[in-house]
Amino acid sequence: GAGVSQTPSNKVTEKGKYVELRCDPISGHTALYWYRQSLGQGPEFLIYFQGTGAADDSGLPNDRFFAVRPEGSVSTLKIQRTERGDSAVYLCASSLTALEPTQYFGPGTRLTVL
Amino acid sequence: AQKITQTQPGMFVQEKEAVTLDCTYDTSDPSYGLFWYKQPSSGEMIFLIYQGSYDQQNATEGRYSLNFQKARKSANLVISASQLGDSAMYFCAMREGQGGSEKLVFGKGMKLTVNP
Repeated sequence: GAGVSQTPSNKVTEKGKYVELRCDPISGHTALYWYRQSLGQGPEFLIYFQGTGAADDSGLPNDRFFAVRPEGSVSTLKIQRTERGDSAVYLCASSLTALEPTQYFGPGTRLTVL
Repeated sequence: AQKITQTQPGMFVQEKEAVTLDCTYDTSDPSYGLFWYKQPSSGEMIFLIYQGSYDQQNATEGRYSLNFQKARKSANLVISASQLGDSAMYFCAMREGQGGSEKLVFGKGMKLTVNP
């Protein structure tokens, strides 16, 4: 079956603009995760959804970052007033349930803020 | 303190040889899980292998095995019979506890290059 998909694959924006990054998890997976990976680093956790609700948003760096998952499937990560330091690869992962250990990752969205 | 430590920034191995990638971890939670992911130049994180803290046997998945030494808090990945396609970044990760947040904490990764 289809894996986790993310759109767009690349996004270039200007400082101060608003961006939305989309994640479509594996069908039937109830848990969804967002991570951010800066150059030369491992992914860092941002937020985790179980169903429609954000179960843990402790990794969001500040209130410019927000994510939603209104119907318990597709999720959108929203970044307001982008800064150059937001440039990174944003990775989405899903797992069958929150108790299922293995998270399956999408290809990521490379965000570049000029 | 870092929860996941990968000290080898890069390794080179000859095709068909075995290679061990090091990972140490730090947690006070008795229940945790350890993971290895592969990230080729295309960028996608590919799940390789999982070890639960209560698992009695070391995990194996094809050419991958996890050398889990609980007392030493190490979870080294062993790749047998390296292939050219194994060249990639490798990340060790940990999930603590059961229930609640299921986030993964990743190490900085290490680059493996397999030479023909």
